[in-house]
Amino acid sequence: RKEVEQDPGPFNVPEGATVAFNCTYSNSASQSFFWYRQDCRKEPKLLMSVYSSGNEDGRFTAQLNRASQYISLLIRDSKLSDSATYLCVVNSLNFNKFYFGSGTKLNVKP
Amino acid sequence: SQTIHQWPATLVQPVGSPLSLECTVEGTSNPNLYWYRQAAGRGLQLLFYSVGIGQISSEVPQNLSASRPQDRQFILSSKKLLLSDSGFYLCAWRFRLGTSGSYEQYFGPGTRLTVT
Repeated sequence: RKEVEQDPGPFNVPEGATVAFNCTYSNSASQSFFWYRQDCRKEPKLLMSVYSSGNEDGRFTAQLNRASQYISLLIRDSKLSDSATYLCVVNSLNFNKFYFGSGTKLNVKP
Repeated sequence: SQTIHQWPATLVQPVGSPLSLECTVEGTSNPNLYWYRQAAGRGLQLLFYSVGIGQISSEVPQNLSASRPQDRQFILSSKKLLLSDSGFYLCAWRFRLGTSGSYEQYFGPGTRLTVT
């Protein structure tokens, strides 16, 4: 079983739409969670860490559900520039390794 | 501030040739360093990570090797490249968030390798 699983998409949404991604993780003892954004042919960039209480950064909201072992990312008022692949990441117990999901592709259309 | 460098940015190599990719980090000391590979249209595969000079953990058996000759230098090598070694090679380092005990990971710009 993979450490982190995501729906690969693509999610095709119009500008201004709200879109949500989920990812599930297998190790219930995992402590740190993240969302990264990767543009085509570029390196992944940290979008936001995910805290137990949930956190928001502008149009982006991240939630953690430990009981069900999933992480979510909500994007409100989608922009064309939000088109990218979104990677869900979980830290290993000793924090030495980071487990990446295979990514969810988002296409925001005009 | 911390920065991470990788070179070269792109590389085209014939099958059977050697490989050396270099990654250096500035602005931090004794970082955990990582090599990942991303095949076209695929997710990130952890190849190696290092917690200190001379300390290398290999995640995937293959014809690649890694070395850490200096604190902020991480090198990925191969004696003979295979076609399947083509991909986007990313170096990353681990950043500690204050005293929280949590860490984040940041990536270099990557090297796009095509084996022909």
